[in-house]
Amino acid sequence: EAAVTQSPRSKVAVTGGKVTLSCHQTNNHDYMYWYRQDTGHGLRLIHYSYVADSTEKGDIPDGYKASRPSQENFSLILELASLSQTAVYFCASRAKNLSAETLYFGSGTRLTVL
Amino acid sequence: GQQVQQSPTSLVLQEGENAELQCNFSTSLNSMQWFYQRPGGSLVSVFYNPSGTKQSGRLTSTTVIKERRSSLHISSSQITDSGTYLCAMEGAMLSGSFNKLTFGAGTRLAVCP
Repeated sequence: EAAVTQSPRSKVAVTGGKVTLSCHQTNNHDYMYWYRQDTGHGLRLIHYSYVADSTEKGDIPDGYKASRPSQENFSLILELASLSQTAVYFCASRAKNLSAETLYFGSGTRLTVL
Repeated sequence: GQQVQQSPTSLVLQEGENAELQCNFSTSLNSMQWFYQRPGGSLVSVFYNPSGTKQSGRLTSTTVIKERRSSLHISSSQITDSGTYLCAMEGAMLSGSFNKLTFGAGTRLAVCP
């Protein structure tokens, strides 16, 4: 069964600290995405990747870096965490050709920056 | 950039009532999906429907590309339908938004007994 696993499930970070959120997929998918969701809002795209060793900026990339060292793994890095980055972060993967049920989401990481 | 507007923002139904959720897009569309999110939970795909009408049980999705809109109809609502419904679009191939999925803010649905 296709799966996207995020770690950690939740994290508390201090302002100015470094945070790394990890995502691992066993779907053999080409595309992976990082979204953030703020309370009462939809998802906003931070970074995405078509292929290993390559990442693309999404709609709100400022303050975030991404890394795709392999097809299975996609990380989101906050070099200097800020209060405004408190949110729930979702990772997703999909096959090359978008079709029914090919976008799979992880369970999310709840990040609190104090 | 591409924008996705969903309406209504929230909706309260009595069990058994029907619901109509709307999604409007600002740019040309390559594909779109509807997702369901439980409170505090992950998202699961409900429909992939880039055009036309699709039905699955009590759910029906209609996408009209020319009018840049999609709807999700829930008939005979049940308490377990409660949650947030989000639509997401992928822009047309030459729009610069291809392969980027943009989400609406969602419609929060509460079905009461």
